[in-house]
Amino acid sequence: SQQGEEDPQALSIQEGENATMNCSYKTSINNLQWYRQNSGRGLVHLILIRSNEREKHSGRLRVTLDTSKKSSSLLITASRAADTASYFCATTSGSRLTFGEGTQLTVNP
Amino acid sequence: GAVVSQHPSRVICKSGTSVKIECRSLDFQATTMFWYRQFPKQSLMLMATSNEGSKATYEQGVEKDKFLINHASLTLSTLTVTSAHPEDSSFYICSATWSGDQPQHFGDGTRLSIL
Repeated sequence: SQQGEEDPQALSIQEGENATMNCSYKTSINNLQWYRQNSGRGLVHLILIRSNEREKHSGRLRVTLDTSKKSSSLLITASRAADTASYFCATTSGSRLTFGEGTQLTVNP
Repeated sequence: GAVVSQHPSRVICKSGTSVKIECRSLDFQATTMFWYRQFPKQSLMLMATSNEGSKATYEQGVEKDKFLINHASLTLSTLTVTSAHPEDSSFYICSATWSGDQPQHFGDGTRLSIL
């Protein structure tokens, strides 16, 4: 079964707004990763945060990790129409990834 | 860097046909490759993990004889769906990594449609 649960399942915002997606998981992790998937395509790795890290930034992306609550969030600032995609969190145990259910983000121009 | 090529991108074939999907790491040596299946509007489900030169490790519920995986070199893994039936229609995605604690890099997926 999928370990990660994400909310919201779907998010629709206007260009320029910020988008926040949350992910919860159940077991201990080595690290947590966020991926993006455009419709009908493969996944693109966005950012990896290790279990001993609390926050990480990459361009317009900001990821937080709270291991006590077993949760993570992905913030996309100043969103663009091109950010429209599905976003998945994935926890790592060894080399194995377990994906969350994903959030479908729609950014309206 | 870290490009993974998956081929073909789309296959449509008749029931009973066997279909081979290739996954290649173009600019790195992939010690481990993964095969996933994804149904519409759902997440990815890991089917199997394959390490170069050894037998693949299949997830529970995935039939080894149905989904044959070969990882003969550090840059190529193949998934063969044997005697495919309509219920095997799905989006299959591979990924590769050179180290267990590094991100996986994904191919663009193969949409398999069995008539």
